[in-house]
Amino acid sequence: AQSVTQLGSHVSVSEGALVLLRCNYSSSVPPYLFWYVQYPNQGLQLLLKYTSAATLVKGINGFEAEFKKSETSFHLTKPSAHMSDAAEYFCAVRRGNTDKLIFGTGTRLQVFP
Amino acid sequence: EPEVTQTPSHQVTQMGQEVILRCVPISNHLYFYWYRQILGQKVEFLVSFYNNEISEKSEIFDDQFSVERPDGSNFTLKIRSTKLEDSAMYFCASSESDPPASTQYFGPGTRLTVL
Repeated sequence: AQSVTQLGSHVSVSEGALVLLRCNYSSSVPPYLFWYVQYPNQGLQLLLKYTSAATLVKGINGFEAEFKKSETSFHLTKPSAHMSDAAEYFCAVRRGNTDKLIFGTGTRLQVFP
Repeated sequence: EPEVTQTPSHQVTQMGQEVILRCVPISNHLYFYWYRQILGQKVEFLVSFYNNEISEKSEIFDDQFSVERPDGSNFTLKIRSTKLEDSAMYFCASSESDPPASTQYFGPGTRLTVL
């Protein structure tokens, strides 16, 4: 069975600091991996996705993630946090023969001035 | 930019009542999904729909649930007899092309409260 684990339900950083949100996946076949962001009272917005084309994936708002097969990880990073990055971030995985996205439990990012 | 819309934003109902949650997917999309998020828990897949039929459903999606695309624009989720445990945020999503690499675009959600 496939799943994702997000380490740390809450992450706090200062404005301008590096953002690192962790995601590890388990999948018996090469997965498709996604990061979504949810701002308060809004739906889920795609930040980026890995579809086996390139291991370093760049997304919107300056975020990027690196697929590391040896570590079964797909961590999300941003070099310099902005106040507007405060939100909940979800990692998700999908296998090739299924429609459904399987989400992690989410990480709430707080950014302090 | 095209977006998925959902109505209502908040629905309150009594246990045992039927509710219909409505979604308007992005207009050229062919694949439709419902997910739910119980407060404090993961976002969970309920059902996917393509070519006017269910293509996949989870174990949550029992006989109390049904989906329909009644016209060319709407996609609905019906819960026949609501239970307290159906209280959750329900998200509709749509995608343009075949899974698995296609992006699922999510609506803002409908918060369902069952009393």
